[in-house]
Amino acid sequence: AQSVTQLGSHVSVSEGALVLLRCNYSSSVPPYLFWYVQYPNQGLQLLLKYTTGATLVKGINGFEAEFKKSETSFHLTKPSAHMSDAAEYFCAVSGFTGGFKTIFGAGTRLFVKA
Amino acid sequence: GAGVSQSPSNKVTEKGKDVELRCDPISGHTALYWYRQSLGQGLEFLIYFQGNSAPDKSGLPSDRFSAERTGGSVSTLTIQRTQQEDSAVYLCASSPRGGLASSEQYFGPGTRLTVT
Repeated sequence: AQSVTQLGSHVSVSEGALVLLRCNYSSSVPPYLFWYVQYPNQGLQLLLKYTTGATLVKGINGFEAEFKKSETSFHLTKPSAHMSDAAEYFCAVSGFTGGFKTIFGAGTRLFVKA
Repeated sequence: GAGVSQSPSNKVTEKGKDVELRCDPISGHTALYWYRQSLGQGLEFLIYFQGNSAPDKSGLPSDRFSAERTGGSVSTLTIQRTQQEDSAVYLCASSPRGGLASSEQYFGPGTRLTVT
């Protein structure tokens, strides 16, 4: 069965430090990959997505992610964390069943320390 | 423009009662999804509507759950005989290019359901 694994339910970084949120998926076919962010008391919004083409994808607020097929990974990074990045981040996968079902990871809550 | 709206924002109900949750998608979006988000859990897919096609109901956890979409727009998720384990945030999302798994989804603010 297809699945999405986000390593670490909570990640804490200092302001200005590198942010790395990990996402691994299992799929027998090349999937479409997404990162969504949920700020406190707000709905989920798209951060970035990979469909085809360049494997390094840039999103909003300085985030980027790299699709590595050999590692079945789609880790999210940001060179320098800002206090406003504190939120919950969800990795999601679709396109593997021939339908439109999207599988979400359990989420990683990012804390940013001053 | 207006985003996805959901009502009510909060619902407290007694065990055994039926509840209806409403979703108004973004105008023109043909695809609509329902998810359930429990505390500490990711988003659990419930059901998907695309245009006039038969919905994908594969994620509905039991026959107490049902959903309909009228006129290709507004959707209602109904939970009959609610149980305490139904307590969660129910999220609705719509997508502008239904029929493409690569399309991003636009989420509503959710309905927090508490079953006492």
